[in-house]
Amino acid sequence: ILNVEQSPQSLHVQEGDSTNFTCSFPSSNFYALHWYRWETAKSPEALFVMTLNGDEKKKGRISATLNTKEGYSYLYIKGSQPEDSATYLCAFHTGFQKLVFGTGTRLLVSP
Amino acid sequence: EPEVTQTPSHQVTQMGQEVILRCVPISNHLYFYWYRQILGQKVEFLVSFYNNEISEKSEIFDDQFSVERPDGSNFTLKIRSTKLEDSAMYFCASTREETPNTEAFFGQGTRLTVV
Repeated sequence: ILNVEQSPQSLHVQEGDSTNFTCSFPSSNFYALHWYRWETAKSPEALFVMTLNGDEKKKGRISATLNTKEGYSYLYIKGSQPEDSATYLCAFHTGFQKLVFGTGTRLLVSP
Repeated sequence: EPEVTQTPSHQVTQMGQEVILRCVPISNHLYFYWYRQILGQKVEFLVSFYNNEISEKSEIFDDQFSVERPDGSNFTLKIRSTKLEDSAMYFCASTREETPNTEAFFGQGTRLTVV
């Protein structure tokens, strides 16, 4: 059974803090890793799709790295803002039209 | 910006009743999916659909479930005889291509409550 894990489950930081979360996934038969941001009552929104070992992607204050050999990805948020409060999901693409999701990290940023 | 839309946002149904969850994928997308998240659990894959056929389905997607693209714009998930354990948030998604590096676009979800 393919298992994708995320840590921590939840995180509460103050505005301006930088934070990071981890996603671990199987290191064999890697195709792609997707990161999503999911705000309450909204659609999960794709942040990054990562395919290459050593890949590093950035969107504003959010960045992500990928290590396919050891099976992990980190998501970083620099200078967290209250609007960053959301659940961050990673998902492993199996190569067969299917995403396997982690449990998500719920981030709360207090002003 | 194009988006995936789902209706209804919330549905309450009696156990044993049939429900149809509706989705309008992004218009130029060709691949369609249903996922669900039972409260407190991971988002899990149900089914993928392309060219009017199921491409992949999970163990969850048994004979009680069916999908259809009835009119070229809507994509529906039918549960024939709902059980309490079908209560979950159901997400529709679509992609333009089937490659692993293609971003999936998700709807806001339908929260199904079976009582």
